[in-house]
Amino acid sequence: GAGVSQSPSNKVTEKGKDVELRCDPISGHTALYWYRQRLGQGLEFLIYFQGNSAPDKSGLPSDRFSAERTGESVSTLTIQRTQQEDSAVYLCASSFGTKPSYEQYFGPGTRLTVT
Amino acid sequence: GENVEQHPSTLSVQEGDSAVIKCTYSDSASNYFPWYKQELGKRPQLIIDIRSNVGEKKDQRIAVTLNKTAKHFSLHITETQPEDSAVYFCAASIYDNFGNEKLTFGTGTRLTIIP
Repeated sequence: GAGVSQSPSNKVTEKGKDVELRCDPISGHTALYWYRQRLGQGLEFLIYFQGNSAPDKSGLPSDRFSAERTGESVSTLTIQRTQQEDSAVYLCASSFGTKPSYEQYFGPGTRLTVT
Repeated sequence: GENVEQHPSTLSVQEGDSAVIKCTYSDSASNYFPWYKQELGKRPQLIIDIRSNVGEKKDQRIAVTLNKTAKHFSLHITETQPEDSAVYFCAASIYDNFGNEKLTFGTGTRLTIIP
């Protein structure tokens, strides 16, 4: 079946502009995660949605970052007033259950470049 | 906060030799330890995982060992092949300050197999 998809695959934006990144999880997956991966670095947790519970926003680096999820479907990550240090690949992952032991399936990522 | 340390950051081995990547974690409550492989330009994918009630798990040429007392776990790849070249991430389940359980990833090991 279809895996996790993300759009756009690449986004170049000017410093100070807002961007919106989209993630379509695997159908039926109740958990959805956003990660940031800077060039050559590890996976930095940003936010976690678990079913209808309040999201875990503890990884968001500043109040310029926000995310929403409609039910158990699409999620959008919004970065306001982008800065050059926001340049990274933003990865979305979904899993069947809410515990970490459920395998996370990653999307292809959105490569964000802030000029 | 709770973190996962991963070593080495880069590793080169001759084709056919073994490769070992080590991770340490700080949260004694961690009970799930997956390993993800990320090939160049691709998304991370789960390759093997281990739970705290098991000391070792094997799947063909890859194995993972866990030492809960010492809080470290390792990935072993035997008879390495060129397609094993990738970045490998370890992860551990943690409980954050809000009582949420999620994965914390290591910083990754870039493994290069030399033909």
